[in-house]
Amino acid sequence: AQSVTQLGSHVSVSEGALVLLRCNYSSSVPPYLFWYVQYPNQGLQLLLKYTSAATLVKGINGFEAEFKKSETSFHLTKPSAHMSDAAEYFCAVSLSGNTPLVFGKGTRLSVIA
Amino acid sequence: GAGVSQSPRYKVAKRGQDVALRCDPISGHVSLFWYQQALGQGPEFLTYFQNEAQLDKSGLPSDRFFAERPEGSVSTLKIQRTQQEDSAVYLCASSSTEREIEQFFGPGTRLTVL
Repeated sequence: AQSVTQLGSHVSVSEGALVLLRCNYSSSVPPYLFWYVQYPNQGLQLLLKYTSAATLVKGINGFEAEFKKSETSFHLTKPSAHMSDAAEYFCAVSLSGNTPLVFGKGTRLSVIA
Repeated sequence: GAGVSQSPRYKVAKRGQDVALRCDPISGHVSLFWYQQALGQGPEFLTYFQNEAQLDKSGLPSDRFFAERPEGSVSTLKIQRTQQEDSAVYLCASSSTEREIEQFFGPGTRLTVL
């Protein structure tokens, strides 16, 4: 069975500071990994996805994530936080197309001016 | 439309009432998923369709929950005899083919059971 653990339910950073949101996964087979962002009262928007090509994945809005098989991690980073980055972030895993996503519990990112 | 739409956006039900939640996927998308997101939690899988066939309903929490997609496009999630624990946001997602891994999400329906 697959699972996702997101360390830290709430992360607070200053505007312009590095953003680091942590995600560890468990999967019996090579997984597909995703980061989604959710703004208040909105659905989930895909930030980026890992599909076994390059281990460093670049996404929208300046975010990127690195797949580290040895650490079973897929942490999300952004060099410089903007106020507009304040939102809920979810890491998710799936085995393939046609299979449900398994989500972590989410990390709420606050950006302080 | 350009994206996945869901209606209603908000629903308040009295305990014991039946509710129906609608999802309009992106036109032509083959796969459709329903997820339940409780307050402060990540979404959890409920059920999945490929065209009109319901391939997996292992996540439905009880036999009060029922989903259908009779013509392979619009889907309805029905909850009978609602309970307070059913209060959550219900998210619908679609993907273009049976091999496509990216799911596109709708805005969700927030259900509150009083």
